[in-house]
Amino acid sequence: GESVGLHLPTLSVQEGDNSIINCAYSNSASDYFIWYKQESGKGPQFIIDIRSNMDKRQGQRVTVLLNKTVKHLSLQIAATQPGDSAVYFCAEIFGNEKLTFGTGTRLTIIP
Amino acid sequence: KAGVTQTPRYLIKTRGQQVTLSCSPISGHRSVSWYQQTPGQGLQFLFEYFSETQRNKGNFPGRFSGRQFSNSRSEMNVSTLELGDSALYLCASSGGQGWGTEAFFGQGTRLTVV
Repeated sequence: GESVGLHLPTLSVQEGDNSIINCAYSNSASDYFIWYKQESGKGPQFIIDIRSNMDKRQGQRVTVLLNKTVKHLSLQIAATQPGDSAVYFCAEIFGNEKLTFGTGTRLTIIP
Repeated sequence: KAGVTQTPRYLIKTRGQQVTLSCSPISGHRSVSWYQQTPGQGLQFLFEYFSETQRNKGNFPGRFSGRQFSNSRSEMNVSTLELGDSALYLCASSGGQGWGTEAFFGQGTRLTVV
């Protein structure tokens, strides 16, 4: 079946550095992608989204890049802070509002 | 504005029992979706309700069911519990117009089946 996967299960980054979290998706028909952040003991929190007719979208300290040619999605976090430590999920939507999540990447910020 | 509220937060049940979980969406939101989160399978979509009707369904057995009430509150039921049903069950609410900024997750119900 269709799947959304992550290249790295864990990522450690020095505080203040930039981090990049990658995601591969397999359904070329997906038209909407979301990045979520999940902190320990909490539900996923929306970070940023992007539609398939775009290749880049920027938010506050975060940028999402979409490469439809290789079905790749990435989340860039600038100037990482301790509060950025969490598990990050990419998710894709195809069909009618059904989210398919990746397995997640644990980001650890080293002080 | 109150967020998505899930009750109970923690639950321990025995194999073979049944369990009901509750989700109160954000006021004004009409769509409620349920997800199962486990270390091995990640976040998996169970079903979505909109205006008391099941609008989407994931690939879970019939032991998993849900419903939505006229006030948009939703319940999820799992019958004949199995050890593999141990998971964090998350509920998300949205206005029903699509995912994204409108979708908010609750803190989840941690179900342990022994």
